[in-house]
Amino acid sequence: GENVEQHPSTLSVQEGDSAVIKCTYSDSASNYFPWYKQELGKGPQLIIDIRSNVGEKKDQRIAVTLNKTAKHFSLHITETQPEDSAVYFCAAPPGYSTLTFGKGTMLLVSP
Amino acid sequence: NAGVTQTPKFRVLKTGQSMTLLCAQDMNHEYMYWYRQDPGMGLRLIHYSVGEGTTAKGEVPDGYNVSRLKKQNFLLGLESAAPSQTSVYFCASSSWSARSTQYFGPGTRLTVL
Repeated sequence: GENVEQHPSTLSVQEGDSAVIKCTYSDSASNYFPWYKQELGKGPQLIIDIRSNVGEKKDQRIAVTLNKTAKHFSLHITETQPEDSAVYFCAAPPGYSTLTFGKGTMLLVSP
Repeated sequence: NAGVTQTPKFRVLKTGQSMTLLCAQDMNHEYMYWYRQDPGMGLRLIHYSVGEGTTAKGEVPDGYNVSRLKKQNFLLGLESAAPSQTSVYFCASSSWSARSTQYFGPGTRLTVL
């Protein structure tokens, strides 16, 4: 099965700084890597994803990079804002129908 | 569209009691999932369904049962609740064509005393 490791578990930054969250996966057959954001009291929501034929993808202040050789992928948030404070999860598909999630990173952006 | 809805939002049970959590989606998704979320453990898959009438075990299925009698509904049952089942439960759904893009409900917070 797939094993997804996520670091750090908590991350505190000042508003305007950049934040980076890293994940590693074990199954070299995995080909899709989504990132979810969970705000307090809500369910996770997909914010960005990347497929294995792409090395980097950007969406405004958010970017994801993928290194298939090393089996790791990262979420980059630039110019952080207080509303970016949330728990972020990476995930990888162990098979055809499901996702294995990392344990999550709590990001706190201080004004 | 309401998306994915879950009932109830909160519930307190005594050890040994039973209950059913209901998940409903109005996006005509084929795939549905039940997860539990515990502090420091992330999201762990309990059971999932790839279509009406079919279910499969996830990572942590013991103590839970599920049913998918209608495409839009996915029920999670606890026959004899235990304190270890105190958790926040999330339902999610996805389409066949984009099965890795899951849409989550708002969650049910369950406490077993």
